[in-house]
Amino acid sequence: QVHLVQSGAEVKKPGASVKVSCKASGYTFINYGITWVRQAPGQGLEWVGWISAYNGNTKYAQKVQGRVSMTTDTSTSTAYMELGSLRSDDTAVYYCARDSGMDVWGQGTTVTVSS
Amino acid sequence: DIQMTQSPSSLSASVGDRVTITCRASQGISNYLAWFQQKPGKAPKSLIFAASSLQNGVPSKFSGSGSGTHFTLTISSLQPEDFATYYCHQYNTFPYTFGQGTKLEIK
Repeated sequence: QVHLVQSGAEVKKPGASVKVSCKASGYTFINYGITWVRQAPGQGLEWVGWISAYNGNTKYAQKVQGRVSMTTDTSTSTAYMELGSLRSDDTAVYYCARDSGMDVWGQGTTVTVSS
Repeated sequence: DIQMTQSPSSLSASVGDRVTITCRASQGISNYLAWFQQKPGKAPKSLIFAASSLQNGVPSKFSGSGSGTHFTLTISSLQPEDFATYYCHQYNTFPYTFGQGTKLEIK
């Protein structure tokens, strides 16, 4: 069975960085990409970016471009999303999902940015 | 960026009703359109991909149609567990984008 398990909640100060992990199981990791999506409190879904687990190619949303880095570790079937220069409007639940079609989702990681 | 516009933004219906949600893309996306269901405090759940293909395990009461710029999600015979927020999503062109969501509430 396909699963994506994310790391735990984070509380960060403005200007800091956060790194969220997403560990995949139940499928061949390099055959699919990983998409990252976030949801601010009471708001809709926002696409953050995508990474190919095969070759590491990435695509990012303009809103986070320059502050975000997505990587994968194929030895552990884990994807990472690091977001820097955190602002209050980065406060959200961050989800990873399998590939562009997002057929399987992680449970979400709450990131709170507060001074 | 491709804008995805869902209508209505909210919808009240009764158990047993049939409802349709519409999603329009600001430019053609072929059939690279997915639908998700989200309940409060939970991760979204994939219902439909490629505009009309049902994900494994999703009941046939959910159906999707459309191509190009106009898409619909239809839910027949509403049950209490179907009341949730629904999102469309285009994955034809980066940056991928979501619709703003349609909240389906019990009348």
